[in-house]
Amino acid sequence: DARVTQTPRDKVTEMGQEVTMRCQPILGHNTVFWYRQTMMQGLELLAYFRNRAPLDDSGMPKDRFSAEMPDATLATLKIQPSEPRDSAVYFCASGLAPGLVPETQYFGPGTRLLVL
Amino acid sequence: RKEVEQDPGPFNVPEGATVAFNCTYSNSASQSFFWYRQDCRKEPKLLMSVYSSGNEDGRFTAQLNRASQYISLLIRDSKLSDSATYLCVVGGSGNTPLVFGKGTRLSVIA
Repeated sequence: DARVTQTPRDKVTEMGQEVTMRCQPILGHNTVFWYRQTMMQGLELLAYFRNRAPLDDSGMPKDRFSAEMPDATLATLKIQPSEPRDSAVYFCASGLAPGLVPETQYFGPGTRLLVL
Repeated sequence: RKEVEQDPGPFNVPEGATVAFNCTYSNSASQSFFWYRQDCRKEPKLLMSVYSSGNEDGRFTAQLNRASQYISLLIRDSKLSDSATYLCVVGGSGNTPLVFGKGTRLSVIA
Protein backbone atom coordinates (compact mmCIF):
# COMPACT_ATOMS: atom_id res chain seq x y z
CA ASP A 1 0.00 0.00 0.00
CA ALA A 2 1.83 3.11 -1.24
CA ARG A 3 1.99 5.96 1.23
CA VAL A 4 3.52 9.37 1.66
CA THR A 5 6.08 9.29 4.45
CA GLN A 6 7.25 12.21 6.56
CA THR A 7 10.03 12.62 9.07
CA PRO A 8 10.26 13.49 11.84
CA ARG A 9 6.78 12.78 13.19
CA ASP A 10 7.30 15.10 16.14
CA LYS A 11 9.80 17.89 16.67
CA VAL A 12 10.31 20.12 19.68
CA THR A 13 12.86 22.87 19.28
CA GLU A 14 13.82 26.21 20.67
CA MET A 15 13.19 29.52 19.01
CA GLY A 16 15.95 30.42 16.59
CA GLN A 17 16.87 26.85 15.71
CA GLU A 18 16.73 25.44 12.20
CA VAL A 19 14.05 22.86 11.49
CA THR A 20 14.14 20.51 8.51
CA MET A 21 11.15 18.37 7.60
CA ARG A 22 11.33 15.65 4.97
CA CYS A 23 8.77 14.00 2.77
CA GLN A 24 8.88 11.01 0.47
CA PRO A 25 6.01 11.23 -2.01
CA ILE A 26 4.32 8.19 -3.47
CA LEU A 27 6.46 6.72 -6.22
CA GLY A 28 5.28 7.96 -9.60
CA HIS A 29 3.42 10.98 -8.29
CA ASN A 30 4.48 14.17 -10.03
CA THR A 31 2.99 16.82 -7.73
CA VAL A 32 4.03 17.50 -4.14
CA PHE A 33 2.41 19.91 -1.72
CA TRP A 34 3.41 21.32 1.67
CA TYR A 35 0.63 22.40 4.02
CA ARG A 36 0.52 23.80 7.53
CA GLN A 37 -2.44 23.17 9.82
CA THR A 38 -3.38 25.08 12.96
CA MET A 39 -6.61 25.29 14.87
CA MET A 40 -7.01 28.95 13.98
CA GLN A 41 -6.13 28.91 10.30
CA GLY A 42 -7.00 25.39 9.26
CA LEU A 43 -5.03 23.83 6.41
CA GLU A 44 -2.90 26.37 4.56
CA LEU A 45 -0.95 25.69 1.39
CA LEU A 46 2.67 26.72 1.76
CA ALA A 47 4.21 25.54 -1.51
CA TYR A 48 3.86 22.99 -4.25
CA PHE A 49 5.95 21.36 -6.94
CA ARG A 50 5.24 19.64 -10.19
CA ASN A 51 7.88 17.41 -11.71
CA ARG A 52 10.21 18.81 -9.02
CA ALA A 53 9.81 22.38 -10.25
CA PRO A 54 8.36 24.87 -7.74
CA LEU A 55 5.04 26.18 -9.03
CA ASP A 56 3.92 28.36 -6.18
CA ASP A 57 5.40 29.21 -2.81
CA SER A 58 3.39 32.36 -2.17
CA GLY A 59 1.93 30.84 0.99
CA MET A 60 5.32 30.67 2.64
CA PRO A 61 7.08 33.36 4.67
CA LYS A 62 10.05 33.73 2.32
CA ASP A 63 12.43 35.18 4.86
CA ARG A 64 12.50 32.05 6.97
CA PHE A 65 10.92 29.19 5.02
CA SER A 66 12.33 27.32 2.05
CA ALA A 67 11.07 24.30 0.16
CA GLU A 68 13.02 22.13 -2.25
CA MET A 69 12.86 18.86 -4.13
CA PRO A 70 16.43 17.60 -4.50
CA ASP A 71 15.09 14.57 -6.35
CA ALA A 72 11.80 12.92 -7.21
CA THR A 73 11.77 10.89 -4.00
CA LEU A 74 12.47 13.67 -1.53
CA ALA A 75 10.90 17.01 -0.69
CA THR A 76 12.18 19.19 2.14
CA LEU A 77 10.76 22.12 4.07
CA LYS A 78 13.15 24.18 6.16
CA ILE A 79 12.51 26.88 8.70
CA GLN A 80 15.45 29.04 9.72
CA PRO A 81 15.21 30.61 12.21
CA SER A 82 12.13 29.03 13.77
CA GLU A 83 9.68 31.04 15.85
CA PRO A 84 6.96 30.01 18.32
CA ARG A 85 4.27 31.03 15.81
CA ASP A 86 5.58 28.31 13.47
CA SER A 87 4.21 25.70 15.86
CA ALA A 88 1.75 23.63 13.82
CA VAL A 89 1.33 20.33 12.03
CA TYR A 90 3.06 20.30 8.67
CA PHE A 91 1.65 17.96 6.07
CA CYS A 92 3.15 16.83 2.82
CA ALA A 93 0.83 15.51 0.12
CA SER A 94 1.44 14.06 -3.31
CA GLY A 95 -0.70 13.47 -6.34
CA LEU A 96 -0.67 12.57 -9.99
CA ALA A 97 -1.80 15.33 -12.28
CA PRO A 98 -2.62 15.08 -15.88
CA GLY A 99 -3.31 18.78 -15.47
CA LEU A 100 -2.07 21.05 -12.73
CA VAL A 101 -4.71 20.08 -10.17
CA PRO A 102 -4.49 16.45 -9.07
CA GLU A 103 -7.70 14.53 -8.78
CA THR A 104 -6.69 13.21 -5.38
CA GLN A 105 -4.06 14.30 -2.92
CA TYR A 106 -2.54 11.70 -0.64
CA PHE A 107 -1.35 13.10 2.65
CA GLY A 108 1.52 12.00 4.80
CA PRO A 109 1.06 11.57 8.56
CA GLY A 110 2.41 15.04 9.25
CA THR A 111 5.20 16.53 11.35
CA ARG A 112 4.00 18.01 14.61
CA LEU A 113 6.28 20.98 15.34
CA LEU A 114 6.51 22.81 18.64
CA VAL A 115 8.80 25.81 18.86
CA LEU A 116 9.44 26.95 22.40
CA ARG B 1 -15.20 36.47 2.06
CA LYS B 2 -13.20 33.30 2.62
CA GLU B 3 -12.68 31.07 -0.42
CA VAL B 4 -14.26 28.03 1.21
CA GLU B 5 -16.51 28.34 4.24
CA GLN B 6 -17.90 25.68 6.50
CA ASP B 7 -19.78 25.64 9.76
CA PRO B 8 -17.13 24.44 12.25
CA GLY B 9 -19.71 22.62 14.37
CA PRO B 10 -19.47 20.49 16.38
CA PHE B 11 -22.44 18.51 15.22
CA ASN B 12 -23.34 16.07 17.97
CA VAL B 13 -25.74 13.43 16.70
CA PRO B 14 -26.95 10.05 17.99
CA GLU B 15 -26.11 6.83 16.20
CA GLY B 16 -28.45 6.18 13.31
CA ALA B 17 -29.21 9.83 12.69
CA THR B 18 -28.94 11.58 9.36
CA VAL B 19 -26.70 14.61 9.29
CA ALA B 20 -25.92 17.11 6.54
CA PHE B 21 -23.08 19.56 6.10
CA ASN B 22 -22.94 22.45 3.70
CA CYS B 23 -20.00 24.33 2.34
CA THR B 24 -19.91 27.50 0.25
CA TYR B 25 -17.16 28.61 -2.10
CA SER B 26 -16.44 32.03 -3.52
CA ASN B 27 -14.69 31.30 -6.81
CA SER B 28 -17.32 30.74 -9.48
CA ALA B 29 -14.61 29.39 -11.81
CA SER B 30 -13.98 26.41 -9.52
CA GLN B 31 -13.85 23.13 -11.40
CA SER B 32 -13.33 20.34 -8.91
CA PHE B 33 -14.92 19.59 -5.57
CA PHE B 34 -14.17 17.05 -2.87
CA TRP B 35 -14.93 16.02 0.66
CA TYR B 36 -11.99 14.90 2.78
CA ARG B 37 -12.21 13.31 6.19
CA GLN B 38 -9.71 13.96 8.97
CA ASP B 39 -9.63 11.93 12.15
CA CYS B 40 -8.20 13.41 15.34
CA ARG B 41 -4.41 13.76 15.09
CA LYS B 42 -4.38 12.12 11.67
CA GLU B 43 -3.94 13.29 8.11
CA PRO B 44 -6.82 14.25 5.79
CA LYS B 45 -8.02 11.49 3.49
CA LEU B 46 -10.24 11.71 0.45
CA LEU B 47 -13.81 10.72 1.27
CA MET B 48 -15.40 11.39 -2.09
CA SER B 49 -15.37 13.62 -5.12
CA VAL B 50 -18.41 15.76 -5.84
CA TYR B 51 -19.81 15.73 -9.34
CA SER B 52 -22.33 18.06 -10.92
CA SER B 53 -24.86 15.26 -11.11
CA GLY B 54 -24.36 14.38 -7.46
CA ASN B 55 -22.92 11.11 -6.28
CA GLU B 56 -23.54 8.50 -3.66
CA ASP B 57 -21.23 6.09 -1.91
CA GLY B 58 -23.03 3.86 0.53
CA ARG B 59 -24.37 6.02 3.32
CA PHE B 60 -22.72 9.15 1.95
CA THR B 61 -24.25 11.46 -0.64
CA ALA B 62 -22.53 14.53 -2.05
CA GLN B 63 -24.18 17.22 -4.11
CA LEU B 64 -23.04 20.33 -5.91
CA ASN B 65 -25.06 23.44 -6.61
CA ARG B 66 -23.05 25.60 -8.99
CA ALA B 67 -25.66 28.36 -9.20
CA SER B 68 -25.57 28.93 -5.45
CA GLN B 69 -21.93 27.88 -5.12
CA TYR B 70 -22.38 25.34 -2.40
CA ILE B 71 -21.56 21.70 -1.81
CA SER B 72 -23.31 19.37 0.57
CA LEU B 73 -22.52 16.09 2.26
CA LEU B 74 -25.27 13.90 3.66
CA ILE B 75 -24.50 11.02 5.99
CA ARG B 76 -27.30 8.55 6.64
CA ASP B 77 -27.48 6.06 9.50
CA SER B 78 -24.54 7.63 11.33
CA LYS B 79 -22.02 5.31 12.95
CA LEU B 80 -19.71 6.01 15.85
CA SER B 81 -16.84 5.58 13.39
CA ASP B 82 -18.11 8.54 11.36
CA SER B 83 -16.90 10.87 14.13
CA ALA B 84 -14.28 13.05 12.47
CA THR B 85 -13.75 16.44 10.88
CA TYR B 86 -15.06 16.77 7.33
CA LEU B 87 -13.15 19.12 5.05
CA CYS B 88 -14.72 20.72 2.02
CA VAL B 89 -12.19 21.12 -0.78
CA VAL B 90 -12.47 23.17 -3.93
CA GLY B 91 -10.15 23.32 -6.92
CA GLY B 92 -9.91 25.82 -9.70
CA SER B 93 -8.41 25.32 -13.08
CA GLY B 94 -5.04 26.04 -14.58
CA ASN B 95 -2.52 26.92 -11.91
CA THR B 96 -4.97 27.18 -9.02
CA PRO B 97 -4.33 24.56 -6.34
CA LEU B 98 -6.96 23.00 -4.11
CA VAL B 99 -8.38 25.15 -1.32
CA PHE B 100 -9.42 23.45 1.90
CA GLY B 101 -12.16 24.64 4.22
CA LYS B 102 -11.46 24.60 7.95
CA GLY B 103 -13.70 21.62 8.42
CA THR B 104 -16.88 20.65 10.21
CA ARG B 105 -16.51 18.49 13.28
CA LEU B 106 -18.93 15.60 13.67
CA SER B 107 -19.36 13.62 16.84
CA VAL B 108 -21.66 10.58 16.72
CA ILE B 109 -22.83 9.57 20.16
CA ALA B 110 -23.97 6.13 21.29
